[in-house]
Amino acid sequence: QKEVEQNSGPLSVPEGAIASLNCTYSDRGSQSFFWYRQYSGKSPELIMSIYSNGDKEDGRFTAQLNKASQYVSLLIRDSQPSDSATYLCAVNLIGNEKLTFGTGTRLTIIP
Amino acid sequence: GAVVSQHPSWVICKSGTSVKIECRSLDFQATTMFWYRQFPKQSLMLMATSNEGSKATYEQGVEKDKFLINHASLTLSTLTVTSAHPEDSSFYICSPGTSGPTDTQYFGPGTRLTVL
Repeated sequence: QKEVEQNSGPLSVPEGAIASLNCTYSDRGSQSFFWYRQYSGKSPELIMSIYSNGDKEDGRFTAQLNKASQYVSLLIRDSQPSDSATYLCAVNLIGNEKLTFGTGTRLTIIP
Repeated sequence: GAVVSQHPSWVICKSGTSVKIECRSLDFQATTMFWYRQFPKQSLMLMATSNEGSKATYEQGVEKDKFLINHASLTLSTLTVTSAHPEDSSFYICSPGTSGPTDTQYFGPGTRLTVL
């Protein structure tokens, strides 16, 4: 079982709709969770971080964490073509700075 | 967020040559630097963790004699790919360590290496 799993996609969403990206992780010791966006040929850029159960909202983005289910998600509201990218889920363990990445979900927003 | 630069942004070299990639943390002192590699259509894989003034720690399967890491100062870490081969062609990205595991990690812009 992979440590961090994501649906590789591609996920196609109409412009203006909600895009929902999911991630599961295997290690219950994981304490920090991150969503990065990566455009083709570029390095990842941070979208959201979340550390406690529940929802965290930042503009059009909402991260949701459920530690009991070992599940973290990212919702993108009012999707824009510029949101088309690969979204990487990353986690790290208690006391460890090392990030473990999922394989990423490729999102395409259809105008 | 942290400002990180990498040089060069891309490099093409012949098989058998060595290539040095520099990573600079511009706005804070990084005692730790993470080096990642990303092959096309794959996720980031941690190669090694360097600590200022000490030897790097390599992940399983990464040859330490092939990928030489130097972290001589708090603002500069270098990765040298020695005797490069076409299979080393990849996107190399550095990320300075943070002050704690809950802090956000930022990434350098990456270096695209192509070995002919």
